[in-house]
Amino acid sequence: DGGITQSPKYLFRKEGQNVTLSCEQNLNHDAMYWYRQDPGQGLRLIYYSQIVNDFQKGDIAEGYSVSREKKESFPLTVTSAQKNPTAFYLCASNLGGKSNQPQHFGDGTRLSIL
Amino acid sequence: QQQVKQSPQSLIVQKGGISIINCAYENTAFDYFPWYQQFPGKGPALLIAIRPDVSEKKEGRFTISFNKSAKQFSLHIMDSQPGDSATYFCAAHFGSNTGKLIFGQGTTLQVKP
Repeated sequence: DGGITQSPKYLFRKEGQNVTLSCEQNLNHDAMYWYRQDPGQGLRLIYYSQIVNDFQKGDIAEGYSVSREKKESFPLTVTSAQKNPTAFYLCASNLGGKSNQPQHFGDGTRLSIL
Repeated sequence: QQQVKQSPQSLIVQKGGISIINCAYENTAFDYFPWYQQFPGKGPALLIAIRPDVSEKKEGRFTISFNKSAKQFSLHIMDSQPGDSATYFCAAHFGSNTGKLIFGQGTTLQVKP
């Protein structure tokens, strides 16, 4: 079945540590997105990528980094510069470009501080 | 101006009742309005979507009503069931070629048996 796979499901970060969240899709989608979800705040866009080897900052990019070396993969690194990383992180993808293309989501990674 | 405001934050409905969630926006460049349903520990799943040239769209028990002049749209869940208990997000696509969505803050719906 086609879909988006996020791993790990749960992740713990120590002080000063960088951690990387994985996102893989087999939907042949061009565009991929990372969101952060906090209670009562909806989904906020961290980074997005329309095409391989290109990505743009979203609304809350500080303290995060991404890469897009392959169409299928869009890993997110939460750096030590992100002082409040505890949240539910969601990856999504769609065909990009046209406005009526729905985003498909993975089942998220819950990140906590040790 | 790129915000989507969603209300209420939480909603309790009896089984068989109608659940209504409202969203409002300011930016007339928004051109696509999806609704997502999210269960705990899962990612959001597309429920139903509408474009601004349509005033209503119905899929099963779920209906979107769209009022372009008032810049408001709403989700109606008819004959609400306990299995509908979830968090619902409205969203809007900012009319560009990026595919980006702006999300509302979410509504947690509880349907009591």
